Amino acid sequence: DVKVTQSSRYLVKRTGEKVFLECVQDMDHENMFWYRQDPGLGLRLIYFSYDVKMKEKGDIPEGYSVSREKKERFSLILESASTNQTSMYLCASSLEETARGGDTQYFGPGTRLTVL
Amino acid sequence: RKEVEQDPGPFNVPEGATVAFNCTYSNSASQSFFWYRQDCRKEPKLLMSVYSSGNEDGRFTAQLNRASQYISLLIRDSKLSDSATYLCVVNKGSGYALNFGKGTSLLVTP
Repeated sequence: DVKVTQSSRYLVKRTGEKVFLECVQDMDHENMFWYRQDPGLGLRLIYFSYDVKMKEKGDIPEGYSVSREKKERFSLILESASTNQTSMYLCASSLEETARGGDTQYFGPGTRLTVL
Repeated sequence: RKEVEQDPGPFNVPEGATVAFNCTYSNSASQSFFWYRQDCRKEPKLLMSVYSSGNEDGRFTAQLNRASQYISLLIRDSKLSDSATYLCVVNKGSGYALNFGKGTSLLVTP
């Protein structure tokens, strides 16, 4: 079974703090993703990475950065947290695209971040 | 036009009913299609991939119409445990990223 873990289930931070969200997968997947999920807006892609030290902007990268120093670990960084970054953050991983099954993504349990 | 559009529902159906969800997507270059299920306060999980020829997994049937850019999910003999949000998912057409619909909420009642 694929296992994707996230460092915290719940996190409360103050405006202006630097926040690190960590994600680890144990299935040697090449691709990793960070999303946020908000009521009425669904899942929105922040950043993704298809290899170590590689990153690509998603649909809403502003205010975020990422780091992928090791294949199994993908970190999301909020340089200066703001209240509008209060959200559920979900990490996912997938194998390289395959002919069958495509790019199925496996999600971690999520981190609910509150910025006060 | 939004990348992936779904009727948010909620769909309230009695146990044993058949229910169908539809989804449209805007990127004609998309190659991979999925239905994910998300339970309340849980992460999304893959329900099934959707293939061009259509596919079935037990009580669940998925269909794809590339010409109309339309995907459907049919659930037969609904169970209480089917209550969840169903997310229509389409790849962005290149690379590995996916576009998620906002989901359709299903509530199966006794």
